[in-house]
Amino acid sequence: EPEVTQTPSHQVTQMGQEVILRCVPISNHLYFYWYRQILGQKVEFLVSFYNNEISEKSEIFDDQFSVERPDGSNFTLKIRSTKLEDSAMYFCASSDPGTGRKLFFGSGTQLSVL
Amino acid sequence: AQRVTQPEKLLSVFKGAPVELKCNYSYSGSPELFWYVQYSRQRLQLLLRHISRESIKGFTADLNKGETSFHLKKPFAQEEDSAMYYCALSTDYSGNTPLVFGKGTRLSVIA
Repeated sequence: EPEVTQTPSHQVTQMGQEVILRCVPISNHLYFYWYRQILGQKVEFLVSFYNNEISEKSEIFDDQFSVERPDGSNFTLKIRSTKLEDSAMYFCASSDPGTGRKLFFGSGTQLSVL
Repeated sequence: AQRVTQPEKLLSVFKGAPVELKCNYSYSGSPELFWYVQYSRQRLQLLLRHISRESIKGFTADLNKGETSFHLKKPFAQEEDSAMYYCALSTDYSGNTPLVFGKGTRLSVIA
């Protein structure tokens, strides 16, 4: 079965630094998402992306966050100036209309902000 | 706002015993409900969704609109069922509305 891949699996950064989390969604999928999970808490929606633009975003997704689909395969999440509270597991997911609302998740990037 | 509540953080059952993972939601319309599972060191994956009315790995879940619940059940738990289980809700059957997740329940099946 095709998979969503995420790199890196772990990222350690200093507070205030920029990080880019990378995702390769399943090739024929059209909808892309970022979720995050702070340790011990629930999986939270950040942003969804469709047709080369953000279709929905949560309150968490403030001006420090941005997403991009720079080419036909990658989908990136950038955090411009990381804060301690950005430390979390970040999950990328994709879906397509043919699968309804079945999201395929990547294995996640564990971001640690020191 | 939509909300999904999973009241149990941890549920421990013996192998062969029945298991029920509780999920309640708040949404005034007609939601679509899902159960996602995350086995140790693996990614989140869809277990089942209510519109399919299917049984996956022996698990079933029925949407009860009167009680706003979507509890996950299995008559005989197996050790390989040990995992984190997340209930999730969508308010849009066909579009791009994001899933809202519960906090998850860790199921531990004891041999």
